[in-house]
Amino acid sequence: QKEVEQDPGPLSVPEGAIVSLNCTYSNSAFQYFMWYRQYSRKGPELLMYTYSSGNKEDGRFTAQVDKSSKYISLFIRDSQPSDSATYLCAMIGLTGGGNKLTFGTGTQLKVEL
Amino acid sequence: DAGITQSPRHKVTETGTPVTLRCHQTENHRYMYWYRQDPGHGLRLIHYSYGVKDTDKGEVSDGYSVSRSKTEDFLLTLESATSSQTSVYFCAISESRQMTIYGYTFGSGTRLTVV
Repeated sequence: QKEVEQDPGPLSVPEGAIVSLNCTYSNSAFQYFMWYRQYSRKGPELLMYTYSSGNKEDGRFTAQVDKSSKYISLFIRDSQPSDSATYLCAMIGLTGGGNKLTFGTGTQLKVEL
Repeated sequence: DAGITQSPRHKVTETGTPVTLRCHQTENHRYMYWYRQDPGHGLRLIHYSYGVKDTDKGEVSDGYSVSRSKTEDFLLTLESATSSQTSVYFCAISESRQMTIYGYTFGSGTRLTVV
């Protein structure tokens, strides 16, 4: 079983929809969580990072962490065609000498006009 | 891509030949990483470096070696390329172990095809 599970999609939504992207994880040591966006044939770019349970908002994006359920989410409001990309979750725990991110496999999102 | 450059961007090579990919950063970051990305597998760590001449293996290191003789350069070598090493290779950097909690910065990738 992978440490981080992420539904690969593809997920297709109409423009303006609210999008929910999710990851589950099994390692209790993970403390810090990130979301990356990757456009086709480009490198991943960091969207948001968060620590501890709760919500963090940045414009149309909201990251949510539920450590008790080992579940993280990224919500995109008023989705746009420019949001069409692959979204990867990533996480790390610094205890025990951790210094490497563990990534989900990514969810492919398409926002249709 | 914020001071990180990968070269070449595309390469086609023959089975059995050695191949070297280069990652160059201008951020003076201590940590550098090599990943490969394949459909269904996501990003998998090949090797990483935590300083000049300090490197360690990742989860898919077989068939790969790395070198870091300067802070700014991290080289990935496929000693004898195989078709299973056809992939997109990404380099990433992080200022420090502590700063990794804010994520990595990735390069634009090298698309390698082994025929």
